[in-house]
Formats: sequence, structure tokens, C-alpha cells
Amino acid sequence: KAGVTQTPRYLIKTRGQQVTLSCSPISGHRSVSWYQQTPGQGLQFLFEYFSETQRNKGNFPGRFSGRQFSNSRSEMNVSTLELGDSALYLCASSFYSGDLFPGELFFGEGSRLTVL
Amino acid sequence: EDQVTQSPEALRLQEGESSSLNCSYTVSGLRGLFWYRQDPGKGPEFLFTLYSAGEEKEKERLKATLTKKESFLHITAPKPEDSATYLCAVHHPWRDDKIIFGKGTRLHILP
Repeated sequence: KAGVTQTPRYLIKTRGQQVTLSCSPISGHRSVSWYQQTPGQGLQFLFEYFSETQRNKGNFPGRFSGRQFSNSRSEMNVSTLELGDSALYLCASSFYSGDLFPGELFFGEGSRLTVL
Repeated sequence: EDQVTQSPEALRLQEGESSSLNCSYTVSGLRGLFWYRQDPGKGPEFLFTLYSAGEEKEKERLKATLTKKESFLHITAPKPEDSATYLCAVHHPWRDDKIIFGKGTRLHILP
């Protein structure tokens, strides 16, 4: 069974540019969450999508956005990049079915973004 | 504010030297607590879910326990391949069902 796939794995951008990251969840998983990981802050929740709808959102500025497609694949976009956006962006899928408990998360290997 | 705090931040052990990692939380109405392992350059890998105080789960040299205020990850006779960052996370049902992570404990096992 294929795991969570994230592309690209590494990318370098300059300030002011925008970036789009892609995530393909495990087959059958309808929930996709995005996290930003930095050495100082650890894993910070960005947002979660379920059945093409944003179910939750973390405390990030509006420059961070996402979407989910009908096949559960998800993308996140960061516009007007800042130096502080350099981080590992992790996508996770889960077999959340609309119940209260979201269940364990299965993570991809992440997209390492460097902003110069 | 609800928090998940892990201690210590880093831990160095000799191979075979058992120890415990701590995860304390202030989330009320906890619905589930997770432990993950993360290797450098990789995404976190799920280890355990604990649901209620008194519950224990084991996997190889790892055992996770849960009380009303904290969880412990006990590592018995660790090997160098157990070196990783161990992350604790809680499911917060009253804050939009978010899963909130601690900052992790970096564990290094010396051969």
C-alpha cells in the first residue's frame, strides 16, 4: 500500500515569490492535514481538509492557503514568501470518516522549502 | 492556553540504558494521545494511541503509558537504531478537533 506522497521534496525560492506544494494521501484516506515544522516551533498545524472542505485552520496568515480535490489529493500554496517561511512542510492523511475522533496521522516525507 | 510539553528536550543514553520520556498536557477532555517517531529528514511515523488513564501499549523496546495529566514513553535496553525524535500529540476535541503536537524529545543512543 503506497504511503503519503509529497512533491516536490526540496525547493528554493526567493522572497516575494509564491510556491505550491502537492500531497497525495494514502488510498482511501479522505482527510489531509498540513503542518509546518521548524526547529524552534516544532510541528505547527496549518489546516485540514476533508471531502474537499476545509475542516480546520491553524493560526497562520492568509498567505497560506490550501485546497483538496475530489480524489482527495491536496495542494497548499504560500504567496509572497518571507524568509521565515523556510521550513519542512508535512502533509498527513488519516482515515477520518466524519466521526469525532480523527485517528492517527500518516505523514509524508515532507517538502523542504528554503526562502532566500 | 492548552499546551503539550515534552521533556527532556534532548537525551543521550548508552546502549542498554533504559529511560523514560515525558509528555505533559493541559488539554481538558482529552480524547486521545499519540506518540510518533521522527527520523532526520523524514516525516513522523505513528507509534501508539492511548485513550484513557491507566492504558498501556507496547512495541518492541517501547512502552507508552497514560495518566490524567501526562504520558510516558519508556525505552527499555535501547539500541542505536532507536535514536530519533519522539513526538507526543493530543487530540483536542473542543478546539475544532485539532491534533496538537509537542516539540519533541531528541533521543541519541550511543553504541
